[in-house]
Amino acid sequence: NAGVTQTPKFQVLKTGQSMTLQCAQDMNHEYMSWYRQDPGMGLRLIHYSVGAGITDQGEVPNGYNVSRSTTEDFPLRLLSAAPSQTSVYFCASSELIRGGSYEQYFGPGTRLTVT
Amino acid sequence: AQSVSQHNHHVILSEAASLELGCNYSYGGTVNLFWYVQYPGQHLQLLLKYFSGDPLVKGIKGFEAEFIKSKFSFNLRKPSVQWSDTAEYFCAVNPSGTYKYIFGTGTRLKVLA
Repeated sequence: NAGVTQTPKFQVLKTGQSMTLQCAQDMNHEYMSWYRQDPGMGLRLIHYSVGAGITDQGEVPNGYNVSRSTTEDFPLRLLSAAPSQTSVYFCASSELIRGGSYEQYFGPGTRLTVT
Repeated sequence: AQSVSQHNHHVILSEAASLELGCNYSYGGTVNLFWYVQYPGQHLQLLLKYFSGDPLVKGIKGFEAEFIKSKFSFNLRKPSVQWSDTAEYFCAVNPSGTYKYIFGTGTRLKVLA
């Protein structure tokens, strides 16, 4: 198992550009999520998905779009990049351990800089 | 609102010192609890987890944590730190029956050789 993979590892964008951060998992997990990590703020949830075709907003969704056409893939789109979106982005997928309990597995992250 | 507090933002210790990092959460129901570690330039790795049972949980690399339900706390401990423990540590809470994870803001630990 590769677990959770993310591409690219690093990206520099100019303000106004758009791009897609890729995330894939091979563990057949239904639940996937995107976080951003900023210094002193921990991890904040951007969007999540509870299965193919179902997505919902997290804590900081503005400026980001997601879709979930397959169980494996959960791409995150930046529609028009802004310097405030400079961050490290982590994708995660969750496994149902026991009734109502989930364990999350994280990808290696994408470091994004918007100039 | 549900939240997780990590009161120590930066901790500096000498090698062999003992470590305790605080984690408190605000949620009245049943929770699952986690500590993650992030070494410089790397992604989050699970240190230990608590779902139920013995409130003293042992994890990897000599770390342990104790769940004290009455105090809504899940503090991380290590009796003797090493230089290689220099990292950022995150506490996370998963309310049972939900997918949601709530993370603390993290504690940066620096261990001096």
